[in-house]
Amino acid sequence: EIVLTQSPATLSLSPGERATLSCRASQSLTSYLAWYQQKPGQAPRLLIYGASNRATGIPARFSGSGSGTDFSLTISSLEPEDFAVYYCQQRGDWYAFGQGTKLEIK
Amino acid sequence: EVQLVESGGGLVQPGGSLRLSCAASGFIFSSNWMHWVRQVPGKGLVWVSRINSDGSSTNYADSVKGRFTISRDNAKNTLYLQMNSLRAEDTAMYYCIRDSSGSNYVAFDIWGQGTMVTVSS
Repeated sequence: EIVLTQSPATLSLSPGERATLSCRASQSLTSYLAWYQQKPGQAPRLLIYGASNRATGIPARFSGSGSGTDFSLTISSLEPEDFAVYYCQQRGDWYAFGQGTKLEIK
Repeated sequence: EVQLVESGGGLVQPGGSLRLSCAASGFIFSSNWMHWVRQVPGKGLVWVSRINSDGSSTNYADSVKGRFTISRDNAKNTLYLQMNSLRAEDTAMYYCIRDSSGSNYVAFDIWGQGTMVTVSS
């Protein structure tokens, strides 16, 4: 069973700052990793697929990187609407998700 | 507009049954694999089940295997989740999802708004 561990659990930053979220897999994933954003009361939204490809309509301030077991999502300059919960997901073992990182306003 | 709209959630007693539906529009439904993912309020996302594009292949999480059945009607552009022998731990928001994954990437690119299932006496 592949386990995805996201860190930190909570990240407190201010608008305009840079955010880096981490997702570590217990086994190598090649490039299957995706990232999702979920705002309160809403369904998740696909941000990044294939570890580094932005989904349709996703702003350029969002970028993904990594391979093997270590992946990251970077938001270059936080906008007020970016404060949300972020999940990583893999397909290597039945589409498991990480436990999420809450990005909150400092 | 590409859209998924779930229905069928509600309050059910332990041991009871419920059938969720997901109406798809704005895309060629029969071309995509589909999934159900659930989320306990305030908790993380948990994959539940998937079905291939023509409905001939299905898979389930261990926690629901033997109790839930995923199916689809491509003529009606509708995905279903038949939930039997429901337990309190099945209480969650259930999301219907379009899968646009490729050979080397995963992409759950369209999500419905979710339908809430509450299992309680």
